[in-house]
Amino acid sequence: QVQLVQSGAEVKKPGSSMRVSCKASGGTLTKYTISWVRQAPGQGLEWMGGIIPILGSTNYAQNFQGRVTITADESTGTAYMELSSLKSEDTATYYCASASGGLYYSDSWGQGTLVTVSS
Amino acid sequence: DIQMTQSPSSVSASVGDRVTITCRASQGIRTWLAWYQQKPGKAPQLLISAASTLQSGVPSRFSGSGSGTDFTLTINSLQPEDFATYYCQQASSFPLAFGGGTKVEIK
Repeated sequence: QVQLVQSGAEVKKPGSSMRVSCKASGGTLTKYTISWVRQAPGQGLEWMGGIIPILGSTNYAQNFQGRVTITADESTGTAYMELSSLKSEDTATYYCASASGGLYYSDSWGQGTLVTVSS
Repeated sequence: DIQMTQSPSSVSASVGDRVTITCRASQGIRTWLAWYQQKPGKAPQLLISAASTLQSGVPSRFSGSGSGTDFTLTINSLQPEDFATYYCQQASSFPLAFGGGTKVEIK
């Protein structure tokens, strides 16, 4: 299992953008599918989108289409999730998670990044 | 897109009880289903993949079953450390989706 380390907590203004990073130990994402999942305070898990770095393909949940961009830098083994046009409802903990073997079972998760959107 | 529906949203149980959580997919996903456990303030942890395959280190009191659209997570002889929230997730195809979660609380 790869270990994932995410960037730290952030406070953002409404209308701005956020970017969270997720670095894989061992420095490679090639063998994994990376998903981004968010959890608003007291709420359930919401899949935002994913990337398969070896294929260079991404997929986004309909709720986030047009606002989210997921990328991966294989040279540094780091995945990124950028969310634009932030609203207070985007206040949440954001997780990255990895799945191996070309499957979609996320067996390793980052520690989570709390992003607070407030004026 | 495939939607996942879990029930119940919460259940109160005592140590030693058996708890059953159900998950329904909006279309057939064969056995492409995962179950996760999440404790407060922690990231989710994968318990079961492929509907019934326990991950390494997961106690045998956990079991999963089902295929197609209907799935079940069973916890036999509930232990204090099992009080948590459980989520199903379809792993058939992008976009992935989670169920709404089931909170297992102490009675």
